[in-house]
Amino acid sequence: DIQMTQSPSSVSASVGVRLSITCQASRDIDNWLAWYHQTPGKAPKLLIFAASNLQHGVPSRFSGSGSGTHFTLTISGLQTEDSGTYFCQQAHSFPLTFGGGTTVEI
Amino acid sequence: EVHLVQAGGGLVQPGGSLRLSCAVSGFSSNHYWMHWVRLTPGKGLEWVANINQDGSEKYYVDSVEGRFTISRDIAKNSLFLQMDSLRAEDTGVFYCARGRAGFSRQLDIWGQGTLVSVSS
Repeated sequence: DIQMTQSPSSVSASVGVRLSITCQASRDIDNWLAWYHQTPGKAPKLLIFAASNLQHGVPSRFSGSGSGTHFTLTISGLQTEDSGTYFCQQAHSFPLTFGGGTTVEI
Repeated sequence: EVHLVQAGGGLVQPGGSLRLSCAVSGFSSNHYWMHWVRLTPGKGLEWVANINQDGSEKYYVDSVEGRFTISRDIAKNSLFLQMDSLRAEDTGVFYCARGRAGFSRQLDIWGQGTLVSVSS
């Protein structure tokens, strides 16, 4: 199975700052990577697909980059509604696997 | 508007069975891959299973292979997960989700989630 490792596991940041979260795959997954945001009691929400493509309706302050084994989610201008947990997910091979999550506190 | 509305779940003893359902509205589910994903205290988000558009292809995570069965009813525009021989470690919130068009292993629409508790 492909292991996905996220860092940091948690972070506290202020409104307006630029925040980056990284995700490392245990082997090359090309650009088969998605990012999700989840708040307590809610379902995950797709933010980024194919590593760098913004999902419809997601604010442009979110961006994704990377390929191969190293990926980054960047939030440019953090907002209060961005608190919650962010997960990366590899879509290269079965079983699909998720990172352990990064909890963002505003 | 696109919605996935889940039903089923609840408390069951180890070794028991449950059937989860996911009713699709706003699109034809037979045009998309569909998935089940769970959120557990021990493993975080874990992909469980998926099924292709006509039900001819199904994939499972090893830990549920042989115990869980994913299926779909095209006429009812619904997705199901039959869970047998349940274990304590299956406890969690289960979500149905749609595979994004063109990127079927990346999940763009999610159900509201349903809690499954396996305990004696």
